Amino acid sequence: DAGVIQSPRHEVTEMGQEVTLRCKPISGHDYLFWYRQTMMRGLELLIYFNNNVPIDDSGMPEDRFSAKMPNASFSTLKIQPSEPRDSAVYFCASSEVPTAGQPQHFGDGTRLSIL
Amino acid sequence: QQQVKQSPQSLIVQKGGISIINCAYENTAFDYFPWYQQFPGKGPALLIAIRPDVSEKKEGRFTISFNKSAKQFSLHIMDSQPGDSATYFCAASSGTSYGKLTFGQGTILTVHP
Repeated sequence: DAGVIQSPRHEVTEMGQEVTLRCKPISGHDYLFWYRQTMMRGLELLIYFNNNVPIDDSGMPEDRFSAKMPNASFSTLKIQPSEPRDSAVYFCASSEVPTAGQPQHFGDGTRLSIL
Repeated sequence: QQQVKQSPQSLIVQKGGISIINCAYENTAFDYFPWYQQFPGKGPALLIAIRPDVSEKKEGRFTISFNKSAKQFSLHIMDSQPGDSATYFCAASSGTSYGKLTFGQGTILTVHP
């Protein structure tokens, strides 16, 4: 069974460019999460969706970040305009209804470098 | 209030030794405490988890110890193996939203053969 699939695996772009990260969750998972991982701040939850609807976006750092989930099998995280401080590894995760004990299944991440 | 503090940042253990990673939290509403394991180039994966109604949970060589009054919990890896070398994250969430995990900073574990 395929896990969470993220693309691209690596992205290098110049400051000011638009960046779009993509995620395909595990089929049947109703919840999708976007995280950012940096050395300084660790693993931070940015936003999560339930049945394609954003539930909590309190972790989104600023208006330059936006996330969408147009259908149950696809989500995007967009940064526009990008800045060097956005450099990080971005993870997407999915799960069934998140009860205690229900694991979140993470993709392998997108390593983003903004020059 | 929402922080989970994890220590140490890095840990080096000899093969066969015991690895211990500690976490502390402030938010008394937290009632679910998972540990995630992350290998280089991969996403984190759930390793073991505990609810506060028990003080200890064991799965194979991995044990979580939980101290509700001290608001602390720890991961013990018995008979540590080189294959256990990874980054370990503790996390916490509450019943209002179990999916909204707050992660610790992570501990890089290296097990020498």
